[in-house]
Amino acid sequence: DTGVSQDPRHKITKRGQNVTFRCDPISEHNRLYWYRQTLGQGPEFLTYFQNEAQLEKSRLLSDRFSAERPKGSFSTLEIQRTEQGDSAMYLCASSSLRGGLPRYEQYFGPGTRLTVT
Amino acid sequence: AQSVTQLGSHVSVSEGALVLLRCNYSSSVPPYLFWYVQYPNQGLQLLLKYTTGATLVKGINGFEAEFKKSETSFHLTKPSAHMSDAAEYFCAVSDSGGGKLTFGQGTILTVHP
Repeated sequence: DTGVSQDPRHKITKRGQNVTFRCDPISEHNRLYWYRQTLGQGPEFLTYFQNEAQLEKSRLLSDRFSAERPKGSFSTLEIQRTEQGDSAMYLCASSSLRGGLPRYEQYFGPGTRLTVT
Repeated sequence: AQSVTQLGSHVSVSEGALVLLRCNYSSSVPPYLFWYVQYPNQGLQLLLKYTTGATLVKGINGFEAEFKKSETSFHLTKPSAHMSDAAEYFCAVSDSGGGKLTFGQGTILTVHP
């Protein structure tokens, strides 16, 4: 069990550019979550998937944000036309189902720190 | 809607002293409660969780928390602080569907020698 991995760990981009982050969940975890954490704040929920289906999106997830999990394994989070306010740590987490019921604990990756200049 | 309030953005204790980090929640459904720890530039690590059953839950590294429904609280304690406990701690609540976590703003714990 290698844990949740995220790539890249750090990304510096210029305002207006597009960026894409990748998350690989723990093997066989059905649910995958994206959160955003700004300095001095707790993580804020963005969206989550069960297998390849996107089940919930936060109002924080503007039209410039899109997330996919095409084969129910890894996921990507893309931000188009980045703004300075997008600078944050983007965290991915995964959790499993057992017997069709969710296990509530989420396991987090190390995060991708985005800096928009 | 769910919410979490962590009282005290910074807590400072001496090594060997009791650690008490406060968390109050608001939830319209039976809550599932969690404490996570975050070290600088790292992701979050689960310390402990309450789902159902025993209201006093034990976690890793000697931490424990007690769910008090009447007080809507889930405070985190550790009898004796170690230098390695210095980190930021987050309380979180989830609905019964196992979906999103709603986090508090975090408490930075400093441990003095």
